[in-house]
Amino acid sequence: LAKTTQPISMDSYEGQEVNITCSHNNIATNDYITWYQQFPSQGPRFIIQGYKTKVTNEVASLFIPADRKSSTLSLPRVSLSDTAVYYCLRINAGNMLTFGGGTRLMVKP
Amino acid sequence: EAGVTQFPSHSVIEKGQTVTLRCDPISGHDNLYWYRRVMGKEIKFLLHFVKESKQDESGMPNNRFLAERTGGTYSTLKVQPAELEDSGVYFCASSPRTSGYTEQFFGPGTRLTVL
Repeated sequence: LAKTTQPISMDSYEGQEVNITCSHNNIATNDYITWYQQFPSQGPRFIIQGYKTKVTNEVASLFIPADRKSSTLSLPRVSLSDTAVYYCLRINAGNMLTFGGGTRLMVKP
Repeated sequence: EAGVTQFPSHSVIEKGQTVTLRCDPISGHDNLYWYRRVMGKEIKFLLHFVKESKQDESGMPNNRFLAERTGGTYSTLKVQPAELEDSGVYFCASSPRTSGYTEQFFGPGTRLTVL
């Protein structure tokens, strides 16, 4: 199965906006894109999910262009507590999640 | 409301021994999933229960792994006999009974070390 591709790591500073882009060139028509966050010694936690265009919730925005070959997670005004691994995932109609390598985000003071 | 819980949090066993991992999903969640991350690799899907039935077990690596969910509540994952390459973190997740594309709630994982 085709996996998603994203940067291995990113650094940012408190108060900045962080954008993490994910590539999924061969995404299936019935797949959605979902993002999860994981802290050390914890399981992944759902952030946001979308199919196309823009989705926004209280913690993030997700931009998926019309061709759906990529997506961008936007975290506004990050804080130190946002330091974590962020996974861009495909989810199919059977609710199976396909994990990639994740992006390790480090937020500095 | 309690989240997904997993027991034990850590397990250290010797090669050839048997280990049983337990997962208690969020109450009322019909869907239960097992995933694992072995050393240096990505998190991978193992299997999916809907209530007590195995909906998809395509990710189970071999017949040394046996998952059960009797009564459709908690689930166990038994590894027998354990091998060195089974070392890793085993995650359980649950989600409500809906048509799909549903948020999954993960437990903290069980770290398994096979010596």
